[in-house]
Amino acid sequence: DQQVKQNSPSLSVQEGRISILNCDYTNSMFDYFLWYKKYPAEGPTFLISISSIKDKNEDGRFTVFLNKSAKHLSLHIVPSQPGDSAVYFCAASLTHYLDTGRRALTFGSGTRLQVQP
Amino acid sequence: NAGVTQTPKFRVLKTGQSMTLLCAQDMNHEYMYWYRQDPGMGLRLIHYSVGEGTTAKGEVPDGYNVSRLKKQNFLLGLESAAPSQTSVYFCASTDEGTSGRALDTQYFGPGTRLTVL
Repeated sequence: DQQVKQNSPSLSVQEGRISILNCDYTNSMFDYFLWYKKYPAEGPTFLISISSIKDKNEDGRFTVFLNKSAKHLSLHIVPSQPGDSAVYFCAASLTHYLDTGRRALTFGSGTRLQVQP
Repeated sequence: NAGVTQTPKFRVLKTGQSMTLLCAQDMNHEYMYWYRQDPGMGLRLIHYSVGEGTTAKGEVPDGYNVSRLKKQNFLLGLESAAPSQTSVYFCASTDEGTSGRALDTQYFGPGTRLTVL
């Protein structure tokens, strides 16, 4: 049972327009959410994060929105650029109940974003 | 800084063969992780380590063993490879936060693509 779901495997947008990537989660114990970006043949790189006590976090062209009641978060990229073309993973974190020193990351399956010039 | 490096980048094994994947980080991070990524699925945690000399099981540990003899290195072993272990393997590391727990932002290596025939 996937606790973090990215229901859109792919998304295509025009350069300069907004890209909206969505993520849903089921575990209400998650208290921190992250977005990672992955280019082919590279490892994921951290993009932006948000604590569960906030509903919005912004970093340049990237904004993450969190709706706790709906268990939904989204990543907005404005304006989209061709260099943003990559796979985006949503991840959620909580304190593992067996090991409070461990922060377990649960990843979604990813959304491939293609930004057309 | 090289960050997180993984050796080898590619490997093809026959069923029943063994191999070791090496992960090295030069950031003096306490926490290290091994994930596998399969098509249509997010990254799944295999094993992790909260410090030199310690290891623990993650979400999908069966068929793998790990060792953390040195702080900077985390080894993933396959004793008897099976076709189900065909995957891309990612190593990640992170530091300890002021709360004494692992930080949520993890730094990933470039991955090892393993094929088991």
